[in-house]
Amino acid sequence: DQQVKQNSPSLSVQEGRISILNCDYTNSMFDYFLWYKKYPAEGPTFLISISSIKDKNEDGRFTVFLNKSAKHLSLHIVPSQPGDSAVYFCAASGRVSNTGKLIFGQGTTLQVKP
Amino acid sequence: DTEVTQTPKHLVMGMTNKKSLKCEQHMGHRAMYWYKQKAKKPPELMFVYSYEKLSINESVPSRFSPECPNSSLLNLHLHALQPEDSALYLCASSQDPLAGGLYNEQFFGPGTRLTVL
Repeated sequence: DQQVKQNSPSLSVQEGRISILNCDYTNSMFDYFLWYKKYPAEGPTFLISISSIKDKNEDGRFTVFLNKSAKHLSLHIVPSQPGDSAVYFCAASGRVSNTGKLIFGQGTTLQVKP
Repeated sequence: DTEVTQTPKHLVMGMTNKKSLKCEQHMGHRAMYWYKQKAKKPPELMFVYSYEKLSINESVPSRFSPECPNSSLLNLHLHALQPEDSALYLCASSQDPLAGGLYNEQFFGPGTRLTVL
């Protein structure tokens, strides 16, 4: 049972445009969500996170939106740059377990074309 | 110091070899993790150490043996691996797994690319 889903395996956008990456979750006990970016043969890099008490968090070109009623979050990258081309993973954690365990989605490969 | 370091960067080993992967962090984090990652797949959790005690073992085969000598170091001992164990092995750390929320933000090392022949 996949608790965190990224239904789009890939996304291609033009440089300068907006990239929107989506993530859905099923477990209502998740209370913290994170986005990671991964280049080939490197470890994931933490990008941005959001607590379930918020509906938006912004950091430079990156904004994460959370819709708790729809159990949906999205990552907006504006403007997109060729260096943003990577695999993006969303992840969720729940306060109930308090184990530190993150549940990852399957990832979306973003390609930003010059 | 805000990074997680891993050695070696690459490792090739035979199925009868014994080797170890090492991970170090100096951020004062109290949780450390081992993950296995195959190409374009999400990281797959193997072990969690919380306050230097093993708190999660995700039913990992015994040919993988973790060790946490102190709060800054994490080792993964490998013995009698199979070719299907070839993958990128990632170490991560987080500030305090018991607190949840932002204290659970995990910071990953660059990984060890393991090839089992």
